[in-house]
Order: sequence, then structure tokens, then C-alpha cells
Amino acid sequence: NAGVMQNPRHLVRRRGQEARLRCSPMKGHSHVYWYRQLPEEGLKFMVYLQKENIIDESGMPKERFSAEFPKEGPSILRIQQVVRGDSAAYFCASSPRTPDTGELFFGEGSRLTVL
Amino acid sequence: QKEVEQNSGPLSVPEGAIASLNCTYSDRVSQSFFWYRQYSGKSPELIMSIYSNGDKEDGRFTAQLNKASQYVSLLIRDSQPSDSATYLCAVSFGGGYQKVTFGTGTKLQVIP
Repeated sequence: NAGVMQNPRHLVRRRGQEARLRCSPMKGHSHVYWYRQLPEEGLKFMVYLQKENIIDESGMPKERFSAEFPKEGPSILRIQQVVRGDSAAYFCASSPRTPDTGELFFGEGSRLTVL
Repeated sequence: QKEVEQNSGPLSVPEGAIASLNCTYSDRVSQSFFWYRQYSGKSPELIMSIYSNGDKEDGRFTAQLNKASQYVSLLIRDSQPSDSATYLCAVSFGGGYQKVTFGTGTKLQVIP
């Protein structure tokens, strides 16, 4: 009964490098959400994806950030040319269908530190 | 303008007391309402969901929803030190799909 799996759990990058965060949703779930959480702050919506489709990316910065959820494999959140302000916890959540109820199941998060 | 608002706290209550957490949301078509608990350094965990006006009880937890006043609350009875965490209010707004928006969370401290 695997839950939402995220990796890496911790990632350290230097300014200007690329960060790739992966998320495998729960079995049977085809909807993936990415949220960012800065220290002592709430969860900020970034992007909502279904298989092979980006449904809503209104929370994603226009530059350097991209997300995908291919037909096969995990969802990927990619941050190019990282800056110190990108340091945060990135949480992935999944839901089993068009979330009529809005119930989300979260992974343990990937904590990015930019030096 | 924030869409989901919570008092950041911390809210301190003695062990055994009732903790009351409140949340207000903006005037939009809101469908579903949730309370998530997040321990420090951990991921959010869904503890309550409520979809219609009134109260919903689950063990020591009671969620209350008032759509007319646009607020949702969470009561924790017989508070325990293990309840010390940040409680996130989340609202699912309408618009084609149910985008879930979170408040900034209220930090609860239960004092033994």
C-alpha cells in the first residue's frame, strides 16, 4: 500500500545548477499536484497535472520552472539555474480522479537547499 | 487578497482543554473544506473534511462549516501534547476542477 513517493528527500544544489524532483503518485491515482512550502509558511500551489497534460500551472513561476507527468514514469518538477530563493520544501500530492472532493494525499516532500 | 486565511498563532492550550482553530475564505464558489495536520518537518496529513453546513465529528475532532459566514473551524477536544502541530485549512474552489488552496496554518501547542 505504497503512498505518494517523492525523491530525493533532500537535495543540495549550488546557484545556477538544475534541480529535478520526482513524484510517483499513489497506485490508481492519475492526478498530481505540486506545492511549495517556505519555512514557517503555508503551502503554495504550483501546478496540477494529469497524465501527459498540464491542467493548471498558474502557481508556477514563468521562468526556470517546468513540470511534466509523462505517460510512463513519475512526475518531474524541474528547476533550472536555481537561486537561493528556491530553497524550500516541495510537496507532491495525488488524487484518484478529478478531485470532486479535493482530498489530496501528500508525499514526504523534497527539501531543496541552494548554496 | 488571500483566499484562505488563518491566524498563524501559536495557539497554546493546556492538556485536556478544547482547542479551537478558525479559518475564513473568500467569496467564491467553494465546494469542499479540509483540515490537514502537519508536524514539524513532515508532510501534511488529512484529518477532517466537510462538505455541507453544520458539524462533523470524528473522534476528538469536530469540523464546523458555515458557508453563509464563510468560515470553517476545527475543535479538538481533550487536547493532547501529541496534537501539537500546525493545522492547515484548505478549501476546494470551483472552476472546472477542484483546485485546493491552503491557508498559512495555525500552530497549536498543547502544554502538558
